[in-house]
Amino acid sequence: GAGVSQSPRYKVAKRGQDVALRCDPISGHVSLFWYQQALGQGPEFLTYFQNEAQLDKSGLPSDRFFAERPEGSVSTLKIQRTQQEDSAVYLCASSLRRMQVTEAFFGQGTRLTVV
Amino acid sequence: RKEVEQDPGPFNVPEGATVAFNCTYSNSASQSFFWYRQDCRKEPKLLMSVYSSGNEDGRFTAQLNRASQYISLLIRDSKLSDSATYLCVVTKPSGSARQLTFGSGTQLTVLP
Repeated sequence: GAGVSQSPRYKVAKRGQDVALRCDPISGHVSLFWYQQALGQGPEFLTYFQNEAQLDKSGLPSDRFFAERPEGSVSTLKIQRTQQEDSAVYLCASSLRRMQVTEAFFGQGTRLTVV
Repeated sequence: RKEVEQDPGPFNVPEGATVAFNCTYSNSASQSFFWYRQDCRKEPKLLMSVYSSGNEDGRFTAQLNRASQYISLLIRDSKLSDSATYLCVVTKPSGSARQLTFGSGTQLTVLP
């Protein structure tokens, strides 16, 4: 596709449930970022991949959060044992070059609601 | 204290008005500066980069003051379509990649 695609667009999870959020970056983009955006806040960095390598995961809020990008293309963000505070929009962004975060294009996000 | 601080607004202005947004950042190691625009329930999109010399893109003018760690965005002759949340963004070295650090955004509504 022409842009970054995320699925599902909306997810309602019961507290304690595991969820998996998918990101299809723009084809050929080397860098991939995940961000979390709570209501009324700006996006907060979660993790960064360069191809299949996860080079920075300093923003992951707890060990319940796990991200992977095994073949350097599609990425999955997994949240185990979801809590209400995990409710947010999860944004994925990709950029063509290594570390070129400034030219990143964002997907429309997955809105996660934990009930 | 948040790394990037903005007045959340909301700013409600009539069409044709000039409106200015301010932003301060706390990390003096910040390297690059941007304004992003985010429409309701949409993804953030890059509006413009901000350079020390100041830069203009049509009705939009951005300024950076590194000494004061202050960034501004001026919108002239505002249009209804300018209604959105404006996010101030800085990058800094972090591990092996520069990260985008976002402010909480300033909400603008342009009224007919």
